[in-house]
Amino acid sequence: GAVVSQHPSRVICKSGTSVKIECRSLDFQATTMFWYRQFPKKSLMLMATSNEGSKATYEQGVEKDKFLINHASLTLSTLTVTSAHPEDSSFYICSARGGGISYEQYFGPGTRLTVT
Amino acid sequence: SQQGEEDPQALSIQEGENATMNCSYKTSINNLQWYRQNSGRGLVHLILIRSNEREKHSGRLRVTLDTSKKSSSLLITASRAADTASYFCATVENDYKLSFGAGTTVTVRA
Repeated sequence: GAVVSQHPSRVICKSGTSVKIECRSLDFQATTMFWYRQFPKKSLMLMATSNEGSKATYEQGVEKDKFLINHASLTLSTLTVTSAHPEDSSFYICSARGGGISYEQYFGPGTRLTVT
Repeated sequence: SQQGEEDPQALSIQEGENATMNCSYKTSINNLQWYRQNSGRGLVHLILIRSNEREKHSGRLRVTLDTSKKSSSLLITASRAADTASYFCATVENDYKLSFGAGTTVTVRA
């Protein structure tokens, strides 16, 4: 199946700093990428949908100024957590779909963010 | 928003036994998908069943869908220790967005 990578896999940052997480589709062009957040022992919560070359669409309750998403190319989307606080500590997962009528999404391995 | 609800929340079985988990959802769907997540990892797509299908098989996996009851089940036959993971159903409406259930944590004891 298609491969999606995320970098970094783990990051620890201090409160008040910003952290960028990259999501790359390695062997296909991703017209749409999705960013999810997952709390321990909980399900995935969709944060936003990003389409290449356009602004991301955020789900209700997700602060767009807090979680900046850039889908600059067909193989790369970035999520920047700005002015991170301990409550932003979570597991962030991206997924990508190639377009057309396929509903299948390919998930990255996730990024564990810890804000101290 | 989260649509699917899964039951049970946790399941512990002996290797070789079958594991069954259920998912219920609330709105009309285009298709329903099942995913597996190993601890601390990303999700692996297992199977997709369309709204006009009632049953689908893939290896040791069997998925059913009852749109009249808005429910689906995932059966893993002859379970192995490597099947230990969390399993999530996800519904898809017409906008390609996945809405995940709460998940079932399956532990297969050797």
